[in-house]
Amino acid sequence: GENVEQHPSTLSVQEGDSAVIKCTYSDSASNYFPWYKQELGKRPQLIIDIRSNVGEKKDQRIAVTLNKTAKHFSLHITETQPEDSAVYFCAASRNRDDKIIFGKGTRLHILP
Amino acid sequence: NAGVMQNPRHLVRRRGQEARLRCSPMKGHSHVYWYRQLPEEGLKFMVYLQKENIIDESGMPKERFSAEFPKEGPSILRIQQVVRGDSAAYFCASSPNGKEEKLFFGSGTQLSVL
Repeated sequence: GENVEQHPSTLSVQEGDSAVIKCTYSDSASNYFPWYKQELGKRPQLIIDIRSNVGEKKDQRIAVTLNKTAKHFSLHITETQPEDSAVYFCAASRNRDDKIIFGKGTRLHILP
Repeated sequence: NAGVMQNPRHLVRRRGQEARLRCSPMKGHSHVYWYRQLPEEGLKFMVYLQKENIIDESGMPKERFSAEFPKEGPSILRIQQVVRGDSAAYFCASSPNGKEEKLFFGSGTQLSVL
């Protein structure tokens, strides 16, 4: 079955700097790659997603890139702000009727 | 739309008791997923259900765990004879009719086994 690896497990960046979180997946049939943000004590919420027919997608300060050949995808957050502090999860699935498998998460700390 | 509702938010059980976790999906959603979250271990897939059907239970332990999503009423995750290792946050998520993959999560149930 699908396996999603996520790095790093913890990341600290200075406010205003950029943060990058990387994930790899094992199932070449996966074609949907969402990213979820979970603030302390709250539910995970989708922040951005990308499909395998697209190499990059951007939404304001966040962007995702996908390399299908290498089977890895990344989340980029620019101009980080204190409210970006949270745990971020990458995930992958094969199709609309398939389960979504999550990575173990990255705890992002934005330092003042 | 009230969103995905899970109850209880916190559940305390003694070893050997049964735990029942409930999840009401968003209105119009017929797909329900259950995930278990342990500290530093992310969201581990357990089971994927549609109304009256289990689609994928590959993440469910073979014993003591069961899930259902009846035609009427919430989805239930049932853990029989709980052990301390079952202590975790259990999240339910729903999606509409398989037309999109976006998951809407509930607030989770924190199960503590004494």
